[in-house]
Amino acid sequence: ILNVEQSPQSLHVQEGDSTNFTCSFPSSNFYALHWYRWETAKSPEALFVMTLNGDEKKKGRISATLNTKEGYSYLYIKGSQPEDSATYLCALGGAGSYQLTFGKGTKLSVIP
Amino acid sequence: NAGVTQTPKFRILKIGQSMTLQCTQDMNHNYMYWYRQDPGMGLKLIYYSVGAGITDKGEVPNGYNVSRSTTEDFPLRLELAAPSQTSVYFCASSWVGEGNSPLHFGNGTRLTVT
Repeated sequence: ILNVEQSPQSLHVQEGDSTNFTCSFPSSNFYALHWYRWETAKSPEALFVMTLNGDEKKKGRISATLNTKEGYSYLYIKGSQPEDSATYLCALGGAGSYQLTFGKGTKLSVIP
Repeated sequence: NAGVTQTPKFRILKIGQSMTLQCTQDMNHNYMYWYRQDPGMGLKLIYYSVGAGITDKGEVPNGYNVSRSTTEDFPLRLELAAPSQTSVYFCASSWVGEGNSPLHFGNGTRLTVT
């Protein structure tokens, strides 16, 4: 079982602020890193899947980077909006495994 | 295109009762998964399937059974419900396995065992 850590556990930001949070994972046995956005009362929705060291992905105001050598990924949100309020999950896929190991998530609240 | 459909959305069971959580997907995905979500914990994998007729245990399989008779359907069976199985259950599917493609999740089933 791989250990995936997310920080912070929760944060509150003002509308318009930019923010970022971290996903840490064991750098050995890495295969893929996923980010999901999970709004209350809905199901998780995929944001990014990254597999290569140095990968950068972007979707609108949200972007992510990946460092497999040191075992971390950052998720950035530029100019946060109230609709960005959600829990952001990262999940690690290990080599040779069909299982994803999920972190506990970072709960973001954007204050209007 | 409905994606991943789970039923029921809510259910209350008494200790010792059994039930089946239904999951179906219309995306022709080979890979399907059952996760449970407990407060303060990450999603935990219960069972997964890499194709029709093939299933395997995940991290927390005890107390559950699955079957995969068709590509579309992946039901999860609770034989003797226990309070520890109170949780929110998510079914998911993906185009390929080994973490290469994103998971598509159903809307979840909130189960309470009393």
